[in-house]
Amino acid sequence: DQQVKQNSPSLSVQEGRISILNCDYTNSMFDYFLWYKKYPAEGPTFLISISSIKDKNEDGRFTVFLNKSAKHLSLHIVPSQPGDSAVYFCAAPYSNNRKLIWGLGTSLAVNP
Amino acid sequence: DTGVSQDPRHKITKRGQNVTFRCDPISEHNRLYWYRQTLGQGPEFLTYFQNEAQLEKSRLLSDRFSAERPKGSFSTLEIQRTEQGDSAMYLCASSGTPEQFFGPGTRLTVL
Repeated sequence: DQQVKQNSPSLSVQEGRISILNCDYTNSMFDYFLWYKKYPAEGPTFLISISSIKDKNEDGRFTVFLNKSAKHLSLHIVPSQPGDSAVYFCAAPYSNNRKLIWGLGTSLAVNP
Repeated sequence: DTGVSQDPRHKITKRGQNVTFRCDPISEHNRLYWYRQTLGQGPEFLTYFQNEAQLEKSRLLSDRFSAERPKGSFSTLEIQRTEQGDSAMYLCASSGTPEQFFGPGTRLTVL
């Protein structure tokens, strides 16, 4: 059972435009969400997080929005840059041990 | 550099051999996690340490896998009698807060 879902395997945007990456979840007990960026052959890099008590968190070009009623979150990157091209994962800590449950990722390509 | 480090970065081994990976977490973090990632998938949880205590092991972790974290510092993950299905990226993360910070991973290829 995929508790965290990223339904778009890939996304292509033009440099300077907005990138919107989506994530849905099924477990209403999740209280925190994280976005990671991953380049091939490297470990995931933490980007931004949001607590379930908030609906928005912003850090520079990155903003995460949380809609609890829809069990949906999105990551906005504005403006998109070619260096943002990578696979983006949505994840949520689960259980007392806070192990991360991950989506399958969305591959973002930002074209110059 | 005070991030998470992993060694080796790459390991090629023959089926049936034993391999051991090392993870050095961020020094002030007491939580340490191991994950495994295969192509096209998100990372899958393997095991969790709080300080030196191994508090959870995934069903993915067969009897051929063992992990330790002596003295609550670095951690090792050993795979005995490797199989081709063990080929994957093995990721280590440490955490003192909700955010987990990952090392560069160890890419294992079993021939």
